[in-house]
Amino acid sequence: DTAVSQTPKYLVTQMGNDKSIKCEQNLGHDTMYWYKQDSKKFLKIMFSYNNKELIINETVPNRFSPKSPDKAHLNLHINSLELGDSAVYFCASSPGRGLFFGQGTRLTVV
Amino acid sequence: RKEVEQDPGPFNVPEGATVAFNCTYSNSASQSFFWYRQDCRKEPKLLMSVYSSGNEDGRFTAQLNRASQYISLLIRDSKLSDSATYLCVVIGYSGGGADGLTFGKGTHLIIQP
Repeated sequence: DTAVSQTPKYLVTQMGNDKSIKCEQNLGHDTMYWYKQDSKKFLKIMFSYNNKELIINETVPNRFSPKSPDKAHLNLHINSLELGDSAVYFCASSPGRGLFFGQGTRLTVV
Repeated sequence: RKEVEQDPGPFNVPEGATVAFNCTYSNSASQSFFWYRQDCRKEPKLLMSVYSSGNEDGRFTAQLNRASQYISLLIRDSKLSDSATYLCVVIGYSGGGADGLTFGKGTHLIIQP
């Protein structure tokens, strides 16, 4: 009965490839997020959706495109992967105060 | 000045000791404050909210000092299982990260037997 689940947990891929990360939450929260944690452990917000609507879009390359088919899902598609995209990507949801994180997807671009 | 600053550590502390660390924030309009805990290769998890009057949860005490713009976390009788990175989170209505929610880089705590 995982609250926020992401797949895959690990993703190793070559430069130039396109990949997707899926996220689902069963908490009934309206707001979902994608965060990136780089090698220096800094957590930085990428996107925020509220009830399927994009409300936050930080300075992220256009190669990153979030998609929210419904308020329980927020997927992240990445085109033309680059070495610098290697990081841990966390999905999170929020009832309005505090965040609940998924287990993270460790992306390694080689 | 960075928006949310923490001493990255590591803090090496013997088991049973008391340890405290702070987090400073630059946005005086910040409204809500939290401490999160992140274990190695795991997701961050909410440890506790920080209230103006200070709050305690078992061995953990969190305090807010608005005048000096910092929050603190005190851990008493530290356990080996307290070893983790502690992230400070600040929510404000101007500046800060997107949605006014900004994470510090975390303080790494190592409890030694």
